Amino acid sequence: GNSVTQMEGPVTLSEEAFLTINCTYTATGYPSLFWYVQYPGEGLQLLLKATKADDKGSNKGFEATYRKETTSFHLEKGSVQVSDSAVYFCALLGSNYKLTFGKGTLLTVNP
Amino acid sequence: DTAVSQTPKYLVTQMGNDKSIKCEQNLGHDTMYWYKQDSKKFLKIMFSYNNKELIINETVPNRFSPKSPDKAHLNLHINSLELGDSAVYFCASSQGWSSNPYEQYFGPGTRLTVT
Repeated sequence: GNSVTQMEGPVTLSEEAFLTINCTYTATGYPSLFWYVQYPGEGLQLLLKATKADDKGSNKGFEATYRKETTSFHLEKGSVQVSDSAVYFCALLGSNYKLTFGKGTLLTVNP
Repeated sequence: DTAVSQTPKYLVTQMGNDKSIKCEQNLGHDTMYWYKQDSKKFLKIMFSYNNKELIINETVPNRFSPKSPDKAHLNLHINSLELGDSAVYFCASSQGWSSNPYEQYFGPGTRLTVT
């Protein structure tokens, strides 16, 4: 079946630091890939997505590139802010039309 | 003008009780979902309805029964609640459910605590 593996964290950074959250996946066919963000006490929001190999999704300074050769979709941001503190979920939408999530990575950014 | 709303936000109840969680979306979407998020934040899909028709039914206990009276509403009824049912339940909706990567919009969640 489909699966998503992401670094579990927690990740603690200082403001303006560089962020990478690793995500790798296992899936048959050609899944679409997503990063969702969950701020404290809220539901999930789509952060960015990529639907085919070599696509780069970007939003709010975050980026991730769909790498089919390494089955990866790592999330990066060049300079994090305190307001980026949240739980980040990598997810894939496979041929079974189900969204499969990774276990989430808690990011805390300190001023 | 909340897109996906859930009620109640918090639900505390005793083992053995029956409870319902309601979800409504005003986005005009055809597809709705229920997810369970456990204490370790792991999210797993439970059910999905498309135009009031059940299309995804994961292996959850049959104490859980979704009901979709119309395509804007998807309710979750849980019978004979158990301690292990304690979790946050999220409702979501999307424009469709095919292989097109329709974005799923999530509600704020319902935190269920079974004592």
